[in-house]
Amino acid sequence: QITLKESGPTLVKPTQTLTLTCTFSGFSLSTSGVGVGWIRQPPGGALEWLALIYWDDDKRYSPSLKSRLTITKDTSKNQVVLSMTNVDPVDTATYYCAHTTLLWFSFDSWGQGTLVTVSS
Amino acid sequence: QSALTQPASVSESPGQSIIISCTGTSSDVGGNDYVSWYQQHPGKAPKLMIYDVSKRPSGVSNRFSGSKSDNTASLTISGLQAEDEADYYCSSYTISRTFWVFGGGTKLTVL
Repeated sequence: QITLKESGPTLVKPTQTLTLTCTFSGFSLSTSGVGVGWIRQPPGGALEWLALIYWDDDKRYSPSLKSRLTITKDTSKNQVVLSMTNVDPVDTATYYCAHTTLLWFSFDSWGQGTLVTVSS
Repeated sequence: QSALTQPASVSESPGQSIIISCTGTSSDVGGNDYVSWYQQHPGKAPKLMIYDVSKRPSGVSNRFSGSKSDNTASLTISGLQAEDEADYYCSSYTISRTFWVFGGGTKLTVL
């Protein structure tokens, strides 16, 4: 059974860097074809894909946020970390991490999400 | 503004069928068969309902089906039940640009 859980600060000040961790079980990021992505959802808003990292360290970023995002993995800890620099109140959202594979370009298992508020 | 266009809301009576559309471009929906659909109940994480345009993950009811024509994908829900009331999001992989896009979401109300 695949499970994922997001963790990180609930409140971040504008201009600061937000760092979120996705801790997962039930799969390994060293397995060929496996990936973990980040998706966010502002309150009352739509889903927005942010970034993804594959087992081979291939990284993909949303073009509109690429300059502010960094995604990394720690295979030994079963963790994926997303960093977002220079946050703004518009970055207030629930952040989800999710599992995917190259077999299908969709996200088949999701974490419960973590709400991050950007406010001074 | 989301990359894929969905109707903001749809409604139908129990037992009936509903179709939710998702319109993109030749760079995403029309350019590959990697369209997926997610169901999200209030306060919950999204759940994958359809992948690769028309495939259902194990455990998803066969009342849910997907299709695609040109740049528009569709999710059909037949025999509507109260538990189907939720938000539905489409998503597509963009091969040429190597990233994903989501639709703005559709709120389904089962009257």
